[in-house]
Formats: sequence, C-alpha cells, structure tokens
Amino acid sequence: AQTVTQSQPEMSVQEAETVTLSCTYDTSESNYYLFWYKQPPSRQMILVIRQEAYKQQNATENRFSVNFQKAAKSFSLKISDSQLGDTAMYFCAFMPRGGANSKLTFGKGITLSVRP
Amino acid sequence: DTGVSQDPRHKITKRGQNVTFRCDPISEHNRLYWYRQTLGQGPEFLTYFQNEAQLEKSRLLSDRFSAERPKGSFSTLEIQRTEQGDSAMYLCASSLSSGAVSPLHFGNGTRLTVT
Repeated sequence: AQTVTQSQPEMSVQEAETVTLSCTYDTSESNYYLFWYKQPPSRQMILVIRQEAYKQQNATENRFSVNFQKAAKSFSLKISDSQLGDTAMYFCAFMPRGGANSKLTFGKGITLSVRP
Repeated sequence: DTGVSQDPRHKITKRGQNVTFRCDPISEHNRLYWYRQTLGQGPEFLTYFQNEAQLEKSRLLSDRFSAERPKGSFSTLEIQRTEQGDSAMYLCASSLSSGAVSPLHFGNGTRLTVT
C-alpha cells in the first residue's frame, strides 16, 4: 500500500513571492506517477503538474515546478510569482504505473493563502 | 469536451433514506473513479471502473454502498440506509488508459448531508 504525507496543514505567502509545498510518500513500487492537484474554495479539483518517476528531469508548468527526489521519496511543489488566484487547497497524489492498481492516493492537503 | 458532470450538486436526506448519485465522464475516457472527501481532508478512494468492469473496491465501501457503470459510460453510486457519517463530498473522476495513464479529471462533486 502507498501512503502520501503532507505535514504542513497551512501556509501563507505574499503575492508575487515564491512558496514551496512539501510532500513525501512511501511505496514499494518502482514505477509510478506523482501529481499535484489544486482545489480552490467550493470549486472542482484541477491538475497542476505531474511527474513520471522514471524521468529524472523535474517537471515544470509555467510558474509551477517540482523538486522530485526519488531516493528520498520527496515531491515538493514550488509556486513562483504567487497570485491571488493560487489560494486553494493543494493535494499531492501518487499513482502506480500499469496494472489493475491504478488509483490515485492523496495526501491530506495543504491550505495555501496568498496575501495581497 | 464538456468535462466530468455530476448530479445532483447537493443532496440533503434524512438518516435511513437511500440516495443515488450520477456521474457522466468525459466521453472518450474508459476509466471512472469514485472518491469521498470530508471537510479539510484529501479525497479517499472508493471504487473504480474500466469500461463496465468494476476493478477495485475500497474497504471504505460498506455493503450499503453500490456502484454501477452498466454500459461503460455514466456511473451511479447508491447509498442505502444513509447514516450521518456518510455526509461528505462525493467526487467522480475519469481518465483515459491506453498504455500510459492520463491524469484524472474531476467533476464538481455531489455534497451529501445526512440529517
């Protein structure tokens, strides 16, 4: 079984600043995907970024980038130039690659507030 | 692409009543997932389908819960004899699996309140 741990329940950042959200996971799988999802207040969950474990290069999507440390089983999200619209809950999630066990396992999430 | 659609958005029911939720996935997606999310927590996996086959059910899914996807398109989640502990947001998601796994696309959810 896989576990995903997000130990910071809340974070706050000033608009235009950079913030890093932490995530660790535990698995015996060798090949898997990692994701960060964003859930704004009362709105649907949307994908922010994904990383394939066999790729050494860290994924980047505009202002969002990850620091993937496979040996340490760490997967942090960096948000640059924070915007008010980034205020949301952020969930780290894990999915094994291949086979019938293809469900996402989520962490408990972190509430990010961007201050004007 | 109209996205994942869930109906109803909100449901208030009395304890002991049965409720049924519907999910319409993105049309070309062959996988459909149900998750439950309580306030301030991450979504918890309930079950998933590939086409019409239910491939996995969580231990969270008691005998009072049943899910179907009869023609491999829309899915229903039924909760019988609802309890107050069933109050939560029920999320549906879909994805396309064809070798590489595509990310899950989520609907807006159905918020259930059991009084």
